[in-house]
Amino acid sequence: QKEVEQDPGPLSVPEGAIVSLNCTYSNSAFQYFMWYRQYSRKGPELLMYTYSSGNKEDGRFTAQVDKSSKYISLFIRDSQPSDSATYLCAMSRNSGNTPLVFGKGTRLSVIA
Amino acid sequence: EAGVVQSPRYKIIEKKQPVAFWCNPISGHNTLYWYRQNLGQGPELLIRYENEEAVDDSQLPKDRFSAERLKGVDSTLKIQPAELGDSAVYLCASSRGRQGRHETQYFGPGTRLLVL
Repeated sequence: QKEVEQDPGPLSVPEGAIVSLNCTYSNSAFQYFMWYRQYSRKGPELLMYTYSSGNKEDGRFTAQVDKSSKYISLFIRDSQPSDSATYLCAMSRNSGNTPLVFGKGTRLSVIA
Repeated sequence: EAGVVQSPRYKIIEKKQPVAFWCNPISGHNTLYWYRQNLGQGPELLIRYENEEAVDDSQLPKDRFSAERLKGVDSTLKIQPAELGDSAVYLCASSRGRQGRHETQYFGPGTRLLVL
């Protein structure tokens, strides 16, 4: 079993829909949780970062972390065609510069 | 601020040939990472540098892979000889390197390697 599990999709939604993306993990030592967005033939770019459990909102994006269930989510409201990309969850154990452990990524298509 | 620069963007080689990838991190970033991303997978760490010192290379296949970061700035990752299974995207990332703080890792566009 991999440390981080993520459904690879693909996920296809109509424009304006609410999108829910999820990851589960097995290592309780993870404390920092991130969502990266990766467009085709580009490197990942950081969307959201959360420390420990809780919610964080940034515009149309909301990240949730439930450490008791080892479950993290990313919600996208009013989805746009420009949101079409692969979304990668990532986690790390400590602060500083520890390596990230990524999920497989979920490919999202938002249809106009 | 310029981002992480990688070259080449694409490389096609025959198996058993050598190949090298180059990365220039964001100015002032002390920590540099090389990740490998296989098709349909998330990136996986190969090696991490703190300045010029390799501090985490446990996932680097040392029989054929080597890396260096002379002078603690840009870095080169080499594969010799390449195998079919090395076909992947090689991503370089950098971060500020301040201890005790969570630091965002910024990724370059990657080098897409195809081994025939």
